[in-house]
Amino acid sequence: GIQVEQSPPDLILQEGANSTLRCNFSDSVNNLQWFHQNPWGQLINLFYIPSGTKQNGRLSATTVATERYSLLYISSSQTTDSGVYFCAADAGTGFQKLVFGTGTRLLVSP
Amino acid sequence: DAMVIQNPRYQVTQFGKPVTLSCSQTLNHNVMYWYQQKSSQAPKLLFHYYDKDFNNEADTPDNFQSRRPNTSFCFLDIRSPGLGDAAMYLCATSRDVFGYTFGSGTRLTVV
Repeated sequence: GIQVEQSPPDLILQEGANSTLRCNFSDSVNNLQWFHQNPWGQLINLFYIPSGTKQNGRLSATTVATERYSLLYISSSQTTDSGVYFCAADAGTGFQKLVFGTGTRLLVSP
Repeated sequence: DAMVIQNPRYQVTQFGKPVTLSCSQTLNHNVMYWYQQKSSQAPKLLFHYYDKDFNNEADTPDNFQSRRPNTSFCFLDIRSPGLGDAAMYLCATSRDVFGYTFGSGTRLTVV
């Protein structure tokens, strides 16, 4: 099955700093998503992005499908951005059967 | 607001005593999933329902079963919980390839 790897595993930022999180996947995908898991365990869907670039406020994501990677950009980070960011991919057909990466744990300090 | 609701938020069960976790959704999504997430690990898919069709992952233990009596509800049954089954259990829904939405999870403790 598809393999999903994320880097870096841990990231510590000062509030206001920018960061880039990377996700590599081993096969062509028809579904690539980014999630944020807050300290209370809630997983929030950030982007559905099998290819191209999307932006939502201070967050943006780019997936280069031909090179099998995706990037999540966080600008002007805030303490509420802390948590774990997961990339998840699906190489199958039909509905979503996501395989999650190991995550990037982000801590934004004031 | 449309959402995915999991109950209870925290569940403590005794070793070997059957336990049921519940999930309901108001999104009218046709696919429902159960994930297991152990401490500091990624969520791992246990099984899913595509409408009424049940799909079990190959490495999901027989100890885990699921029921989906209607579109809105899905249950996770653990027949004989062991200490290794302590984890966060996450329910999620989607409509085909869109709208992947997670509930807030049930944290299971086995004593």
